[in-house]
Amino acid sequence: QLQLQESGPGLVKPSETLSLTCTVSGGSVSRNSYYWGWVRQPPGKGLEWIAIIYYTGSTYYNPSLKSRATISVDTSKNQFSLNLTSVTAADTAVYYCANPGRGYTYGFDPWGQGTLVTVSS
Amino acid sequence: DIQMTQSPSSLSASVGDRVTITCRASQSISTYVNWYQQKPGKVPKLLMYAASSLESGVPSRFSGSGSGTDFTLNISSLQPEDFATYYCQQTYSAPWAFGQGTKVEIK
Repeated sequence: QLQLQESGPGLVKPSETLSLTCTVSGGSVSRNSYYWGWVRQPPGKGLEWIAIIYYTGSTYYNPSLKSRATISVDTSKNQFSLNLTSVTAADTAVYYCANPGRGYTYGFDPWGQGTLVTVSS
Repeated sequence: DIQMTQSPSSLSASVGDRVTITCRASQSISTYVNWYQQKPGKVPKLLMYAASSLESGVPSRFSGSGSGTDFTLNISSLQPEDFATYYCQQTYSAPWAFGQGTKVEIK
């Protein structure tokens, strides 16, 4: 079955770029009709949807991130990635990758285990 | 952007109680609603998609309903393992916003 695993640095300095990768196993990242996505959760707070990418390469972002986010797919490595530029302490969160694939309403399942990214100097 | 407003933000209930959580969309979204359960320190778990379709393996005491702007998640008889935070999410149009969450605590 499909499994996702996030990887990336746990500590990023303010104003720098946060880069995370999600490795997909048990399925192809280029599979027809699949979306892939990122969600984050600041400590003690709720879930925030960040971005999704369709298998065609179409991307959709949360406008609250003000164009700082970029989601992309690397089919050669069966991975998808998130870059978030100009980070501040407000970007400190657990970042999850997920597959929005359940039903016509794209329920997110499965999820990666999440990775905590702290923005601090 | 479509906003999702959950109520209540928290509730206290006893084992065996019937619990209802409500989610209201800022505009009509048909049945494009998913529900998640999250326990402390754990990954969110999909409970329901398309407003009322129970995800495989989820107990039948969970049910969902609604269309348009108003949606509910019901737990017919609260069990100890159901104490958690619940989130709705709309996927009608991007950004696919989550509600702010409803924390279900032990009374």
